[in-house]
Amino acid sequence: GAVVSQHPSWVICKSGTSVKIECRSLDFQATTMFWYRQFPKQSLMLMATSNEGSKATYEQGVEKDKFLINHASLTLSTLTVTSAHPEDSSFYICSATPGAGGGSTDTQYFGPGTRLTVL
Amino acid sequence: DAKTTQPPSMDCAEGRAANLPCNHSTISGNEYVYWYRQIHSQGPQYIIHGLKNNETNEMASLIITEDRKSSTLILPHATLRDTAVYYCIVRVNNNDMRFGAGTRLTVKP
Repeated sequence: GAVVSQHPSWVICKSGTSVKIECRSLDFQATTMFWYRQFPKQSLMLMATSNEGSKATYEQGVEKDKFLINHASLTLSTLTVTSAHPEDSSFYICSATPGAGGGSTDTQYFGPGTRLTVL
Repeated sequence: DAKTTQPPSMDCAEGRAANLPCNHSTISGNEYVYWYRQIHSQGPQYIIHGLKNNETNEMASLIITEDRKSSTLILPHATLRDTAVYYCIVRVNNNDMRFGAGTRLTVKP
């Protein structure tokens, strides 16, 4: 149990375009989802926290107008990278915390990640 | 500010126990110690977590010192597939999770 999926697993786009990444909790309802990004040879950096039905909370230095997060249901959160540029190329990873009935409510379960390359 | 300190890298022989240390001297009374690992180009995988008592599951054992200022993750019989970066994390609150640099464990034949 407690499986998180991401789609797509990788994407290549042209500079200036927008890219949407989906994060789904497959076998539990996620009250909270998180988005991280990871540059090569670096650790994961938390970008934002999203709670179902409310606005996301962004970490300092993360542009909320550039990285749009929508958490419309208890099993789906989306991250849209708007007007992507080469410096946005990174590994984007989501995680989810189960609500009651799905794994440990204190444990985050991570998706497999999405590798974004902006040309 | 990093809440945990881990050695940047460790080697372990295949079949032997891998003992990964973590210092968290500023841990608060209600903060848990979590361990995750990340195999190259994959999302982090949950391993184990604990508060005060030692914990064991099918993947690993977690030994937490009595003063809770440090802990050790033990992989009892390391295999080549255990080669990964291992992260020791102290929870800031019930949901927030911050990753440090971790320990790169290399299991060698």
